[in-house]
Amino acid sequence: GQQVMQIPQYQHVQEGEDFTTYCNSSTTLSNIQWYKQRPGGHPVFLIQLVKSGEVKKQKRLTFQFGEAKKNSSLHITATQTTDVGTYFCAAKNAGNNRKLIWGLGTSLAVNP
Amino acid sequence: GAGVSQTPSNKVTEKGKYVELRCDPISGHTALYWYRQSLGQGPEFLIYFQGTGAADDSGLPNDRFFAVRPEGSVSTLKIQRTERGDSAVYLCASSLEWSGANVLTFGAGSRLTVL
Repeated sequence: GQQVMQIPQYQHVQEGEDFTTYCNSSTTLSNIQWYKQRPGGHPVFLIQLVKSGEVKKQKRLTFQFGEAKKNSSLHITATQTTDVGTYFCAAKNAGNNRKLIWGLGTSLAVNP
Repeated sequence: GAGVSQTPSNKVTEKGKYVELRCDPISGHTALYWYRQSLGQGPEFLIYFQGTGAADDSGLPNDRFFAVRPEGSVSTLKIQRTERGDSAVYLCASSLEWSGANVLTFGAGSRLTVL
């Protein structure tokens, strides 16, 4: 079945450093969503990317969708302790399937 | 309501018992999803409702799991003869159905512990 690979699994950074997590699929995606889950919390929607090569920004967060619509990245500039949590990508394949395929997430720890 | 509401927030039960977990989605959201999340893992899809009907139940692990949404709003996930391996956080999410762009709003989850 379709899988979405997310790397790295864990990332430990010093406050102020940048952070990037990547999502890769072997098949073409219809769209990709990013969610953030704080420790002890539930996933919260961040952004959705639909178009090939799309780039969206939310303050210090930059989201990209690859030209081939098979990969995506989330980049955080100058991390803060409030960025701590697990970042998940969730994607739909190009077929008419409403089921999102979730990556395993990247857990981000930020040292103050 | 303003958000997705799940009850109970915590449930401790003994192996072999029956449990029900309830989800009250955002008013007007026609799509409702159940996921299960174990520690350190991503959400695992269980079942999806469009209105009252289960549009996709392919994620239910076995026939001990069943979910209903009789009036197209509140949903109940039912687990019979619970096993220790059923221990997890059960997440409910709802979304507006719009061109297949299902942005999910999650509830806080129901943490199930089977002793």
